[in-house]
Amino acid sequence: DAMVIQNPRYQVTQFGKPVTLSCSQTLNHNVMYWYQQKSSQAPKLLFHYYDKDFNNEADTPDNFQSRRPNTSFCFLDIRSPGLGDAAMYLCATRGREGIQYFGAGTRLSVL
Amino acid sequence: TQLLEQSPQFLSIQEGENLTVYCNSSSVFSSLQWYRQEPGEGPVLLVTVVTGGEVKKLKRLTFQFGDARKDSSLHITAAQPGDTGLYLCAAQSRAGGYQKVTFGTGTKLQVIP
Repeated sequence: DAMVIQNPRYQVTQFGKPVTLSCSQTLNHNVMYWYQQKSSQAPKLLFHYYDKDFNNEADTPDNFQSRRPNTSFCFLDIRSPGLGDAAMYLCATRGREGIQYFGAGTRLSVL
Repeated sequence: TQLLEQSPQFLSIQEGENLTVYCNSSSVFSSLQWYRQEPGEGPVLLVTVVTGGEVKKLKRLTFQFGDARKDSSLHITAAQPGDTGLYLCAAQSRAGGYQKVTFGTGTKLQVIP
């Protein structure tokens, strides 16, 4: 059974049209992450949460925002998607043992 | 900034061949993970190594953590098409009081039937 669930799996949006990607987890982990991954590259960390404590990577564009209303859910908002934002977006959690558990990802296309 | 360099970056081999992927850093890590990611999916954890010199086996995959805990290798014996994917090493560090995971640069493996 999937423990980190991302919806939708595929998202198409238009240039400049806001889009929200969602992630939920059944692991009750305190830490959640959002990554951006472009083709055949390593995932690039955008944000992470320790409980509700939000941490933004220094090079994450202002265009990207995140919300975590409770332990189980986390959202990635892209306010004005550009063509360069087309990528796979991965959500992950981390347990006390230090291991990350990834969702299957949302592939975002920007037209 | 810690950097994890993987080599090779790309590898295309015939079914049945053996291969080794390397993950190197100048930093010491408390633990290191290996993930495999198939196209259109999220990374899936293969193994975690913790102790310097540790060797772990997962069927045809053998993982080794360097004695100094700065590097690791993944060896696949008799590769199969199902091994195709992006292999990522990842290590943990502390940044600003938080645990942060750094991913390696990735190795894209293609196993040709």
